[in-house]
Amino acid sequence: AQTVTQSQPEMSVQEAETVTLSCTYDTSESDYYLFWYKQPPSRQMILVIRQEAYKQQNATENRFSVNFQKAAKSFSLKISDSQLGDAAMYFCAYRSGDFGNEKLTFGTGTRLTIIP
Amino acid sequence: NAGVTQTPKFQVLKTGQSMTLQCAQDMNHNSMYWYRQDPGMGLRLIYYSASEGTTDKGEVPNGYNVSRLNKREFSLRLESAAPSQTSVYFCASIRTSGKETQYFGPGTRLLVL
Repeated sequence: AQTVTQSQPEMSVQEAETVTLSCTYDTSESDYYLFWYKQPPSRQMILVIRQEAYKQQNATENRFSVNFQKAAKSFSLKISDSQLGDAAMYFCAYRSGDFGNEKLTFGTGTRLTIIP
Repeated sequence: NAGVTQTPKFQVLKTGQSMTLQCAQDMNHNSMYWYRQDPGMGLRLIYYSASEGTTDKGEVPNGYNVSRLNKREFSLRLESAAPSQTSVYFCASIRTSGKETQYFGPGTRLLVL
């Protein structure tokens, strides 16, 4: 079974600075997807960024980027120019690439605080 | 499009009572999922339905039953609620086309006394 580990329960960063959230995973599969979800106080799960394992290039979405190290099974999220609206819980998630097996395995989350 | 909707938003139950959480999606997605979220635990899969007419157990299925009523609707039933089922419940759906990710509903907060 796949596992996802987020070793930082809480992180804080000054507004406008850069922060990196860590995630490691364990799998024997070669085809899979990785995601970062944001959960603000409203509890809505919002997709931040996705990475396909077969792609070597790291995904980026505006101020959000990932550092995907497939051999090390590491998938960190970098948030640049942090804004107050970035304050939330962040979850790393794994999804198999097998058709019909799209269930997600989540890490335990990192609570990000933005310091004004 | 409303996306994924869940009812109710919040519910208080007494131990032993039963209830059904409703989920519907209007995106013509094939697969639907129920997760629960507990403090410090992330989201854990309860049950899922890969297609209309099929259901499978996830990581934490005990105490729950599900029904995939049609392609749009996937309900979660607690037959005899226990305090350990106090949690936030999320429904999600996906089209099943490779790169897709899951779309989540807004969640149902359940308190069992």
